[in-house]
Amino acid sequence: EIVLTQSPGTLSLSPGERATLSCRASQSVSHNYLAWYQQKPGQAPRLLIYGASSRATGIPDRFGGSGSGTDFTLTISRLEPEDFALYYCQQYGGSPGSPLTFGGGTKVEIK
Amino acid sequence: EVQLVESGGGLVQPGGSLRLSCAASGFTFSNNAMSWVRQAPGKGLEWVSATSSSGSITYYADSVKGRFTISRDNSKNTLYLQMNSLRAEDTAVYYCAKNSGWYWNFGDYWGQGTLVTVSS
Repeated sequence: EIVLTQSPGTLSLSPGERATLSCRASQSVSHNYLAWYQQKPGQAPRLLIYGASSRATGIPDRFGGSGSGTDFTLTISRLEPEDFALYYCQQYGGSPGSPLTFGGGTKVEIK
Repeated sequence: EVQLVESGGGLVQPGGSLRLSCAASGFTFSNNAMSWVRQAPGKGLEWVSATSSSGSITYYADSVKGRFTISRDNSKNTLYLQMNSLRAEDTAVYYCAKNSGWYWNFGDYWGQGTLVTVSS
């Protein structure tokens, strides 16, 4: 099973600042099959990024994904008020029949 | 517009059973794998189960294997999760998620979730 570790646990920033979130895998994620989600309190997760760097439908271009192998990054270029939320990474690159796994999450809060 | 609407959650005693449903619309249901993902109160996301587009291939997390059964009715555009022998640690919001391909990968659309509470 691929274990994903997200850091930091909490990121305190101001609107307009740049956010950099990390997701590290315990082993290489094949084909860079890594996704990022945003979740706000009381809401379902929303897909932001898939394939490590492809933006999902309707996602603003201030959200960017990068990385490969075991190290992946979600960058929010300029934080908008609506971007303060929880963010999860998820891998889907394991061998057939192996579990899809999520990271523990990073909370982006207003400083 | 893709819509996923879960139902069937509620309060159940330990050892009891529940069946969750997820009614899908806005896409060709039979073309996509579907998953159930849960979130315990105040905790992160846990992928619980998935089914391929035809329903012929399924997956279960170790935590629910042998107790939960995923199924789908492509004629009714509905996904199910039969949960038996429920435990307190199964208490969570259960989300259904549409996967982007015929095999499970990432959830490109999610339902609003249904709360399952296992308590005496």
